[in-house]
Amino acid sequence: QVQLQQSGTELVKPASSVKISCKASGYTFTSNYMHWIRQQPGNGLEWIGWIYPGNGNTKYNQKFDGKATLTADKSSSTAYMQLSSLTSEDSAVYFCARWDNYYWYFDFWGPGTMVTVSS
Amino acid sequence: EIVLTQSPTTMAASPGEKVTITCRASSSVSYMYWYQQKSGASPKPWIYETSKLASGVPDRFSGSGSGTSYSFTISSMETEDAATYYCHQWSSTPWTFGGGTKLELK
Repeated sequence: QVQLQQSGTELVKPASSVKISCKASGYTFTSNYMHWIRQQPGNGLEWIGWIYPGNGNTKYNQKFDGKATLTADKSSSTAYMQLSSLTSEDSAVYFCARWDNYYWYFDFWGPGTMVTVSS
Repeated sequence: EIVLTQSPTTMAASPGEKVTITCRASSSVSYMYWYQQKSGASPKPWIYETSKLASGVPDRFSGSGSGTSYSFTISSMETEDAATYYCHQWSSTPWTFGGGTKLELK
């Protein structure tokens, strides 16, 4: 069965960076786009971008250009998102979500990684 | 950027009551998608391509609409339907979500 396991809660300082992971299992990692989505406290969902692990291609929401960097490691079936120059605005839960190639929606989501930016 | 505006933002319904949520797009989109999120959990796919139910979704749910106006309906509210529902479009980049409608049990 498809599973997406995300790394644990992060407490980080302003101006620093953090790299969170999303380990996929139960399917061919290189065959599906992996998206990242942000949910700020009490707020809705915001699309950050996607990576295609098969070739490493990425696409970002312009809002996150320079903020988020998406990578993928085929050998470990793990997608990563690095967030840089963190501010309190980046405090949020970050989800990875697999894109279904047939029905064209986010069919499986990770449990989310909470990032808190605080000095 | 296409802005999706959901209404209402919160509502309460009694068991058996019909529920309708609307999602208006600032520009025309090809299809609307809906996700259900319960407190502390990840979103789940609920409706895709405007009106098709995702796997396991009960048939009391339905979706309709076109262009800039879409709706999401529960024909008869059940306890388990209490959640926040988000509409979503990927017709245009950046992909966007509505602000969510929190549906509570009355």
